[in-house]
Amino acid sequence: AQSVTQLDSHVSVSEGTPVLLRCNYSSSYSPSLFWYVQHPNKGLQLLLKYTSAATLVKGINGFEAEFKKSETSFHLTKPSAHMSDAAEYFCVVSEGGKLQFGAGTQVVVTP
Amino acid sequence: DGGITQSPKYLFRKEGQNVTLSCEQNLNHDAMYWYRQDPGQGLRLIYYSQIVNDFQKGDIAEGYSVSREKKESFPLTVTSAQKNPTAFYLCASSIAVRDRLYEQYFGPGTRLTVT
Repeated sequence: AQSVTQLDSHVSVSEGTPVLLRCNYSSSYSPSLFWYVQHPNKGLQLLLKYTSAATLVKGINGFEAEFKKSETSFHLTKPSAHMSDAAEYFCVVSEGGKLQFGAGTQVVVTP
Repeated sequence: DGGITQSPKYLFRKEGQNVTLSCEQNLNHDAMYWYRQDPGQGLRLIYYSQIVNDFQKGDIAEGYSVSREKKESFPLTVTSAQKNPTAFYLCASSIAVRDRLYEQYFGPGTRLTVT
């Protein structure tokens, strides 16, 4: 069985400082992992995905994530936060095509 | 533009009434999904469909029904049997269900309020 734990429900950062969103997963097989972003009252947008190629994955809007099998982690980072990064972020694991979502991390960006 | 459309964006109903949420995609995807989102709980799968005229229950199917008569369309009916129907409903599609490599694409969502 697969599951996802997002370790922080809220993260607050200052504009221009780094962002770190933490995600641990459990999976019976070799999983695919995704990060999605959701702005208020909108659908989810794919930021990046890991599917067993390179362990460091680059996504849109300057985000990247590193797959660490030994730590069962898939943390999302961005070197410099922008006001437009304020949103909710979901870490997602896929086995056999069905997705399991984390509870989400709300990111607040202060000027 | 290719994508997924959901209508309406906001929907209000009285308790005891059935309501149908629309989802259409022009991505030529075989698989479609319905999720429910509640604050602090992430997304939970209601139903999914791998192909026309076939659909499967997800984790929280009770009180919901779906149909898949066309590849492009996957409407969701919230019945009066659903105990807590007020939520944000998201429709998604992907190339295929049984392949972990393919991400899902999401529509903009419908916020349903039942009073």
